[in-house]
Amino acid sequence: DADVTQTPRNRITKTGKRIMLECSQTKGHDRMYWYRQDPGLGLQLIYYSFDVKDINKGEISDGYSVSRQAQAKFSLSLESAIPNQTALYFCATSAGAGVEQFFGPGTRLTVL
Amino acid sequence: GDSVTQMEGPVTLSEEAFLTINCTYTATGYPSLFWYVQYPGEGLQLLLKATKADDKGSNKGFEATYRKETTSFHLEKGSVQVSDSAVYFCALSLRQAGGTSYGKLTFGQGTILTVHP
Repeated sequence: DADVTQTPRNRITKTGKRIMLECSQTKGHDRMYWYRQDPGLGLQLIYYSFDVKDINKGEISDGYSVSRQAQAKFSLSLESAIPNQTALYFCATSAGAGVEQFFGPGTRLTVL
Repeated sequence: GDSVTQMEGPVTLSEEAFLTINCTYTATGYPSLFWYVQYPGEGLQLLLKATKADDKGSNKGFEATYRKETTSFHLEKGSVQVSDSAVYFCALSLRQAGGTSYGKLTFGQGTILTVHP
């Protein structure tokens, strides 16, 4: 089984709808991250969490919110989706600072 | 702030050709450096890493050396294969827990590599 899983893998929705993307991990890591990937822009950090009680905004948090339900679960919500949020979304985990991150398979979100 | 700059792509090579993808960085602390690879339709996988100056990371025939004096971490492979076709990302993460980095990865924009038979 994969260490970092994301659901759904693909989602098409309409402008104004609320969307939740879920991430689960079995690596036992405290740190979890949400990234967005747009063509030609690499990955940009949306939110990150160091434990259940520690959640922080990343570079592009506007229009997004997160919930850390447990050490193993970190969800990303789009309260009112807009077309320019169409992108690939990745969840990642790490054991600490300056070490590698482990990525989920990604969720492809299309907002019409 | 911290940043990573990769050579612009896409890069197109014939099988068995030599590959170099340039990567330079700016960082306020002591970064660890990484190369990630993204195969079509998949997530990112760690390809190799180096945690301090002069370290060489290597994996699957790829190599990169952490050069503090030139703030670079160029990716090389002596003989590419069609199966190496993917997007390659250079990234850094600060090892210090202080400041605003919090261990997040800062990525370059990615380089698309296509290898033809």
